[in-house]
Amino acid sequence: SQTIHQWPATLVQPVGSPLSLECTVEGTSNPNLYWYRQAAGRGLQLLFYSVGIGQISSEVPQNLSASRPQDRQFILSSKKLLLSDSGFYLCAWSAHRGQYGEQFFGPGTRLTVL
Amino acid sequence: AQSVTQPDIHITVSEGASLELRCNYSYGATPYLFWYVQSPGQGLQLLLKYFSGDTLVQGIKGFEAEFKRSQSSFNLRKPSVHWSDAAEYFCAVGGSGTYKYIFGTGTRLKVLA
Repeated sequence: SQTIHQWPATLVQPVGSPLSLECTVEGTSNPNLYWYRQAAGRGLQLLFYSVGIGQISSEVPQNLSASRPQDRQFILSSKKLLLSDSGFYLCAWSAHRGQYGEQFFGPGTRLTVL
Repeated sequence: AQSVTQPDIHITVSEGASLELRCNYSYGATPYLFWYVQSPGQGLQLLLKYFSGDTLVQGIKGFEAEFKRSQSSFNLRKPSVHWSDAAEYFCAVGGSGTYKYIFGTGTRLKVLA
């Protein structure tokens, strides 16, 4: 069966510090990968998605970047965090050749920028 | 424009009562529709999905949803709510040939003992 991992689970960082959040998927190959952000009291905002190694699509211009160095690894980064980067970050995957594109989510990372 | 609307931000029901959470969508192509549930501090779990065929779909945890094309709706229902159903519920729409979902802003369910 497929599993998706995210770490760290929680993170408190000062403004201006760098960020690296990691997501890995097991039990599948060549998945589509997604990063979402969920701000308090709001829905899910798609930040990035990737359909293959090195292929990243950005949905929202912002202070963040994403990379996919391996097939089942997806990394969310920032060089300098802003207060507005605080939120709950969710990684998700879907089958690349899945007909209906249902997405499966990881447990999330709670980021607080102080 | 493509969008998903969940008109109820908060809903409170008593344990054992029936539940209906509303979802309306606007989508230019044939929609694929999903309901997810999120417990506090957790990721999202897929409850059920609709792609085609029977417009009444059954999901996990005793939930069901009905697709009504004429009303552009995909409402989630449960005949008898349990205290453990307290969570936030998200409706989402996607479509053939797209990797992306559009999510609603969620409905937070509170269950009274």
